[in-house]
Amino acid sequence: QKEVEQDPGPLSVPEGAIVSLNCTYSNSAFQYFMWYRQYSRKGPELLMYTYSSGNKEDGRFTAQVDKSSKYISLFIRDSQPSDSATYLCAMSPYSGGGADGLTFGKGTHLIIQP
Amino acid sequence: DAGVIQSPRHEVTEMGQEVTLRCKPISGHDYLFWYRQTMMRGLELLIYFNNNVPIDDSGMPEDRFSAKMPNASFSTLKIQPSEPRDSAVYFCASSTGYGYTFGSGTRLTVV
Repeated sequence: QKEVEQDPGPLSVPEGAIVSLNCTYSNSAFQYFMWYRQYSRKGPELLMYTYSSGNKEDGRFTAQVDKSSKYISLFIRDSQPSDSATYLCAMSPYSGGGADGLTFGKGTHLIIQP
Repeated sequence: DAGVIQSPRHEVTEMGQEVTLRCKPISGHDYLFWYRQTMMRGLELLIYFNNNVPIDDSGMPEDRFSAKMPNASFSTLKIQPSEPRDSAVYFCASSTGYGYTFGSGTRLTVV
């Protein structure tokens, strides 16, 4: 079993729809959870950062963590064509990546159709 | 803030040649990471530094790969000799405890 599982997609939805992106993980030591957005031919950029279980909202984006199920989600409301990108989940036992760095999912390719 | 700066953006080289990738982290960031990204394997951590000291290089695939960080503002990743299977996008990232900031990457093609 891979440490972090993420459906590669592509996931194609119409503009304005609510998007749900998910990751599962196996390492119970993970405490810090992140979502990165990567546009084509660019480096990943940090989108959301959460600690332990719970929800965090930032504009149209909501990150959810359920440590009991080892499951994290990113919701995008009122999706826009500019949200089309690859979304990678990442996690670590340590806030700065620390001893092991971040463990990334392979990413979900999201397409928002105008 | 110019962010994490990597050079070159693209590198095409012949098998057996030496390749050097360069990275300038964000000033004040005390962690620096080198990642490799491929379609098959996603993002893989190669090595990371804390305060210029290599902490974990267990992700470096072979002895052909080496990395240095001579000062807080510069790091290199060297591949010698290069092989076609090294073709990938190599990212440098820096951090100070709140997520990572990635550079734009170096796309390496070994023919």
